[in-house]
This record gives sequence, C-alpha cells and structure tokens, in this order.
Amino acid sequence: DADVTQTPRNRITKTGKRIMLECSQTKGHDRMYWYRQDPGLGLRLIYYSFDVKDINKGEISDGYSVSRQAQAKFSLSLESAIPNQTALYFCATSDRTGDVDYGYTFGSGTRLTVV
Amino acid sequence: AQSVTQLGSHVSVSEGALVLLRCNYSSSVPPYLFWYVQYPNQGLQLLLKYTTGATLVKGINGFEAEFKKSETSFHLTKPSAHMSDAAEYFCASSSPSGGSYIPTFGRGTSLIVHP
Repeated sequence: DADVTQTPRNRITKTGKRIMLECSQTKGHDRMYWYRQDPGLGLRLIYYSFDVKDINKGEISDGYSVSRQAQAKFSLSLESAIPNQTALYFCATSDRTGDVDYGYTFGSGTRLTVV
Repeated sequence: AQSVTQLGSHVSVSEGALVLLRCNYSSSVPPYLFWYVQYPNQGLQLLLKYTTGATLVKGINGFEAEFKKSETSFHLTKPSAHMSDAAEYFCASSSPSGGSYIPTFGRGTSLIVHP
C-alpha cells in the first residue's frame, strides 16, 4: 500500500456541486498539506495542518475547506465547485525533527474536472 | 519572503548528454533545499535534499546538486541522461522563518530526452 493514498484518482463534477477529496497516510507524520498543480504554475498551497487541532490557510484557500479527522486523515472540500478549480490536487505529509526538515511524501494526486 | 526560480520551463537533451537544471532561491536565512521529480501521472518524489553539512548532495538515479550560497543556487545535474529521466522536476526551498518550514516550490522544468 502507498504511504499517502488519495481518493478518488479522477473525478468529473458539475459546477455548483460539493465535492470532497480524501487523503490518508501511513507515515505517522503529524504534518499534512493540500496543494493544487496547474500547468506552468507549479504547486500552490491550499491548506496545511501541523496536527489534528491545527489548521492553516495557504496561499489559495478561497473556495476550499478542510477537515483533519485524525492524524492519518486530511480531507479537502470544494463547497461549490467552479470550472477554474479544475486542476490536479496533491496531498502530502512531512516530518520534521528539531531543526531538520526531511521533505515531503506526496500522494499520487486527484485529477478534478469541473464542467 | 522566500522564492524559488527555475530557469527554463523546458530543457531538451540527447540521451547520454549532461543534464543541468537550474534553480535559484532567495531567502533571508539559510534554507533547506530540495529537488522533486514527477513522472507522468504520478505524484512528486523526493530526489535529493540539502539541509546542513556537505554542499554537494547525491540523490537517487545518479542525480546530484550543489548548494552554492554565494550564488544562491542549487542546480541539479546528471552526467549522462537516460530516456527514463524524462519527467517534470521541481526545486523547493524551506526556511525556519516563522518556524513553519513550509516549502516554496519553483514552477517546474520539464526534461525532454531525445534518443
């Protein structure tokens, strides 16, 4: 099984619909993140969570919400999907001990299309 | 605020030729630096990282990168390109600014390998 699992892998939804993307991890990491990837724009941070009780907005949080149900689960919701939210979405986890940042482990992504 | 610039959205090389992908960062404090690789239809995978110590860092698949503080650079190299190296490569920087270590990603460089 993958260390970071995202479901669904692909989703087509209609404008105005609510949709949830789910992420679960077996790394035991406290930190989890949601990014979206658009061609030519790289990765942009939507939300991040350093533990179950800590949720923070990223640079592009408008139109999105998240829920950290457990250390291992972090879901992203689009309350009312719009076409410009069509993108590839990635969940990631990270571990940091002291001052050392070990980098991210990414899921395989969810390709979302809003029509 | 930190930023990461990857020079060239596309780099094309012949199989067996040197691979050089450029990354420059800006940060007010010494950063941690990362290179990630994304193969088609997959998530990002950590290729190598610089945290402290030796400035020449070796990663997977024969890649290496050198941290040059004076040039604020962290270029990725491989002596001999292989067809399987064709992928998208992302440089990222994180710093202890604010204690969060949230990385900033470059926009990515697509490596094309010709036979």
